[in-house]
Amino acid sequence: GQQLNQSPQSMFIQEGEDVSMNCTSSSIFNTWLWYKQDPGEGPVLLIALYKAGELTSNGRLTAQFGITRKDSFLNISASIPSDVGIYFCADGSQGNLIFGKGTKLSVKP
Amino acid sequence: KAGVTQTPRYLIKTRGQQVTLSCSPISGHRSVSWYQQTPGQGLQFLFEYFSETQRNKGNFPGRFSGRQFSNSRSEMNVSTLELGDSALYLCASSLTQGAGANVLTFGAGSRLTVL
Repeated sequence: GQQLNQSPQSMFIQEGEDVSMNCTSSSIFNTWLWYKQDPGEGPVLLIALYKAGELTSNGRLTAQFGITRKDSFLNISASIPSDVGIYFCADGSQGNLIFGKGTKLSVKP
Repeated sequence: KAGVTQTPRYLIKTRGQQVTLSCSPISGHRSVSWYQQTPGQGLQFLFEYFSETQRNKGNFPGRFSGRQFSNSRSEMNVSTLELGDSALYLCASSLTQGAGANVLTFGAGSRLTVL
């Protein structure tokens, strides 16, 4: 079945640094979604991408839908402590969401 | 505007018991989906309900079932609990069915521990 490979699995960064994470797929996607999950909460949608090559920003977050439609990246600029959490990519092409395993972000104060 | 409400937030059961979890969607949302989150398998789709009908189902055994009421509230039930059923169960609602074109809003989840 369809698989989403998300990397890195975890990362520690210094406050103020930029962060980059990505997802690759074994199949072509029509929709790339990026979610963030804070401890004790459900995932919250950050950015939705619907077209190959699409580049979308949401504040300090920027995500792109790869040209091949098999990958996507999420960048966070000038990280702050509240960026801590788990970031998931997800495919919504099938009617239900298929999630990657997540990138756990920890920020050194 | 109230978000997605899940009850109970935490519960502990023993093997062989059954459990029922409840989800109240955002007002006006007619689709409710359920996901299981575990450290090993991550987030996995269980099923989706729209207009009181199951529209989509993930790859879970028949011990996992659900239903949706006329007011769009949903319940999921797990019978004959196994240790591996310990997980965070997340409910998400959206205006219509289908996760791709609709924004899913997740609840905070019900954390089930099976002893």
